[in-house]
Amino acid sequence: ETGVTQTPRHLVMGMTNKKSLKCEQHLGHNAMYWYKQSAKKPLELMFVYNFKEQTENNSVPSRFSPECPNSSHLFLHLHTLQPEDSALYLCASSQDVGASSPLHFGNGTRLTVT
Amino acid sequence: SQELEQSPQSLIVQEGKNLTINCTSSKTLYGLYWYKQKYGEGLIFLMMLQKGGEEKSHEKITAKLDEKKQQSSLHITASQPSHAGIYLCGADDRKGGKLIFGQGTELSVKP
Repeated sequence: ETGVTQTPRHLVMGMTNKKSLKCEQHLGHNAMYWYKQSAKKPLELMFVYNFKEQTENNSVPSRFSPECPNSSHLFLHLHTLQPEDSALYLCASSQDVGASSPLHFGNGTRLTVT
Repeated sequence: SQELEQSPQSLIVQEGKNLTINCTSSKTLYGLYWYKQKYGEGLIFLMMLQKGGEEKSHEKITAKLDEKKQQSSLHITASQPSHAGIYLCGADDRKGGKLIFGQGTELSVKP
């Protein structure tokens, strides 16, 4: 058990669909993150939340909309995605946003856009 | 912006052999993290290094951060099939403490 749970594990959606990814952490951490992992590319940071406040939006297209209702839950709302958005989406949490706080990752959601 | 380059990109070793993975940064490292990932799963935290010259070990895996703090190495002794996976280095980008990552090194261990 990783302490960070992501659902669903797999998601297939059409370009006109609307879906949401969910992340929950049971570690008492204050910071949560969304990363995108595409084949043969480094992990790309998408969003950072610290104490429920968004502190980073790494030039992510507006078809990705994050939501952080509290420090334990993080959502990624998806709409009108493109096939190139197919990837593994990883959620992570850390005690704080800082150099001494390792990230703890969930197992990811494998997203396929058709 | 800071970039991390890992070498090699992939590695196949015979069980029992030693191996080393390198992570080189374009800028000074202030926090270097090593993670392991099984295909299609999340990253598992292995070790964190912060001081130049620092060395940490966990079971048969040893990581070092060089004195100039721009390179780290991960060494596995007497590799086992359970060591197979993708190893990623991550570094604090000094902009709010967010981690950036290398592209990963895929390790296969032949029984």
